Amino acid sequence: AQSVTQLGSHVSVSEGALVLLRCNYSSSVPPYLFWYVQYPNQGLQLLLKYTSAATLVKGINGFEAEFKKSETSFHLTKPSAHMSDAAEYFCAVSDSGGYNKLIFGAGTRLAVHP
Amino acid sequence: SAVISQKPSRDICQRGTSLTIQCQVDSQVTMMFWYRQQPGQSLTLIATANQGSEATYESGFVIDKFPISRPNLTFSTLTVSNMSPEDSSIYLCSAAGTGGPVEQYFGPGTRLTVT
Repeated sequence: AQSVTQLGSHVSVSEGALVLLRCNYSSSVPPYLFWYVQYPNQGLQLLLKYTSAATLVKGINGFEAEFKKSETSFHLTKPSAHMSDAAEYFCAVSDSGGYNKLIFGAGTRLAVHP
Repeated sequence: SAVISQKPSRDICQRGTSLTIQCQVDSQVTMMFWYRQQPGQSLTLIATANQGSEATYESGFVIDKFPISRPNLTFSTLTVSNMSPEDSSIYLCSAAGTGGPVEQYFGPGTRLTVT
C-alpha cells in the first residue's frame, strides 16, 4: 500500500527565507509524486509532478522538488519565500499516474511573516 | 489543463436532507474522482466515477450514502444523502486524462455545512 508522510503540519518562515516542506513516501512500485497547493477557500492547484523523468522537478511560482529514491523523499523547496506563498501544501503519491487515485499527505500549512 | 467547475460552491443544509453536487469539466476526460476534505484535514478519496458503469467506492464509503452519476465524459454528480453534521466538509471533484495520463486537476470545491 502506498502512503505519504509530511513532516511538520505548520511551517513558518520569514519573507525572503528558504522554504522547505518535507514529504516522504512509501510505495512498492515506482511512484508518481505530486505537490499541490491550496489557498484559503479554494481548490487544489498542481505545483509540480515527478513521473520518473528528471529527479529535479521545477514547478510554478518558483517551487521545485527533488526525488530521492534512496531516501524515499520528495521535498518541496523555494529559495525565497513571498507573502503570497502562504497556503496549505499537500504531497500526494500515485502508482500509475493520474488515472489512478491519489493518496494525500496530511498537509503542511505554510505561514510567511514580514 | 482542464478547467473544472462545481455547483453549488457552498450550501447549508438541514440534517436528514440530501444535496447533489455537480462537477463540469471543459473537455472530455477519462477519469473523474470525488474527494472529501473534512475541516482542517487532508483529502480522502470517496470514489472514482466511471463513465458508463457504476462508481468504484473506497473503503468506508457506500453507494447508498454517496450515490454518484457519470452520464458522459465531461460531467459527474455526487449526492450526499440523509445528511448529518458529520458530513460537513468540502467536497472536491477532480479529473484526469487531459494533459497526459498523470495530470489530475481539481475543482474549487463545495463547502457543505449540515445543521
